Amino acid sequence: GESVGLHLPTLSVQEGDNSIINCAYSNSASDYFIWYKQESGKGPQFIIDIRSNMDKRQGQRVTVLLNKTVKHLSLQIAATQPGDSAVYFCAETRGGYNKLIFGAGTRLAVHP
Amino acid sequence: DAGVTQSPTHLIKTRGQQVTLRCSPKSGHDTVSWYQQALGQGPQFIFQYYEEEERQRGNFPDRFSGHQFPNYSSELNVNALLLGDSALYLCASSSGPGSAGEYFGPGTRLLVL
Repeated sequence: GESVGLHLPTLSVQEGDNSIINCAYSNSASDYFIWYKQESGKGPQFIIDIRSNMDKRQGQRVTVLLNKTVKHLSLQIAATQPGDSAVYFCAETRGGYNKLIFGAGTRLAVHP
Repeated sequence: DAGVTQSPTHLIKTRGQQVTLRCSPKSGHDTVSWYQQALGQGPQFIFQYYEEEERQRGNFPDRFSGHQFPNYSSELNVNALLLGDSALYLCASSSGPGSAGEYFGPGTRLLVL
């Protein structure tokens, strides 16, 4: 079946440390993998995406790694800040349309 | 440049009633998707509209229906509301089916009593 899941439901880090949020997916036919950040009371906010034919992509303070061999996706946040505290979702899309399949989410808590 | 907007922000209904939620896509976007997000869970895809037609549909009953207007705005209708329909309803827009990275609105919080 279709599923995009996460290894850890919560992650607590110290301000300034690097954060790594992990995600496992089950369908090898996905076209894109996308990370979203959702703050309380808001809709998901696009962070970064990666095409299925890539294994790494970098943005501002964020890096997404894709390991298709083990169907694993990770989001690395450098120098984590209090404003990074939120729930993070990985999602996948396939089939030429941008229907997103989300996992349950990981809550990131950044402590001063 | 306004992003995706949704109305209303909050809504309370009783079982059996009908509800209509509204969405205006981000400027330049022509594709609108609707998602249901239960508390503590990830969003679940309901359906997607492009060129005023439903292009894809998730695993939701026929009680959930929608519409897209010529100006690309969209409505989500839910009939015969159940308690389990209580959720955050998210609208997302993009520039055509197949483009990655949908932009989400703030959502409409629906509570069914």
